[in-house]
Amino acid sequence: DGGITQSPKYLFRKEGQNVTLSCEQNLNHDAMYWYRQDPGQGLRLIYYSQIVNDFQKGDIAEGYSVSREKKESFPLTVTSAQKNPTAFYLCASSIEGGISYNEQFFGPGTRLTVL
Amino acid sequence: AQSVSQHNHHVILSEAASLELGCNYSYGGTVNLFWYVQYPGQHLQLLLKYFSGDPLVKGIKGFEAEFIKSKFSFNLRKPSVQWSDTAEYFCAVNSGYALNFGKGTSLLVTP
Repeated sequence: DGGITQSPKYLFRKEGQNVTLSCEQNLNHDAMYWYRQDPGQGLRLIYYSQIVNDFQKGDIAEGYSVSREKKESFPLTVTSAQKNPTAFYLCASSIEGGISYNEQFFGPGTRLTVL
Repeated sequence: AQSVSQHNHHVILSEAASLELGCNYSYGGTVNLFWYVQYPGQHLQLLLKYFSGDPLVKGIKGFEAEFIKSKFSFNLRKPSVQWSDTAEYFCAVNSGYALNFGKGTSLLVTP
């Protein structure tokens, strides 16, 4: 089955701890993205990567970090500097980055709750 | 800065009613427009997209949308909704590297 997997589905962490969310795709897509979804806010872009070993900040990158060491993997770390980390996090990928008509495919999401 | 505005945050319709969800964007250049849907408990998935050609685009499950460049609009329509259309709908614009989403419209279809 081709697609995007995110793990875990639910994640609980104590305030002040860093946490890493996993995102893996086997679609052979070059570009990958992280979005944050909050009720009534839509989806907001955190980071994106158009190709391996390259990534760019999105609209709300503060308090987050990413890496792109492999084409199929794009993990997101929510650091203790993120002031309001409780949210639903969505990972996406597309065939090529920078091609604005390409469809993005989304994973099932990870719901992070910081206690 | 580019922005996407969805006018209706919550819509409740009876089955067989017609649906129109508004979407406006602010960007003067070439854009590509998308409608995504998020059914309860499921992945966000593409309903339809416009990038060139016929401004009336048809998507899955009987949905269609019309791109009106002069109004910066890309409204989503369906002539007759079903209970299974209950979901959250997102309009999105892409002019470069990533999607810029509206805040979403939550649609509830009652039997």
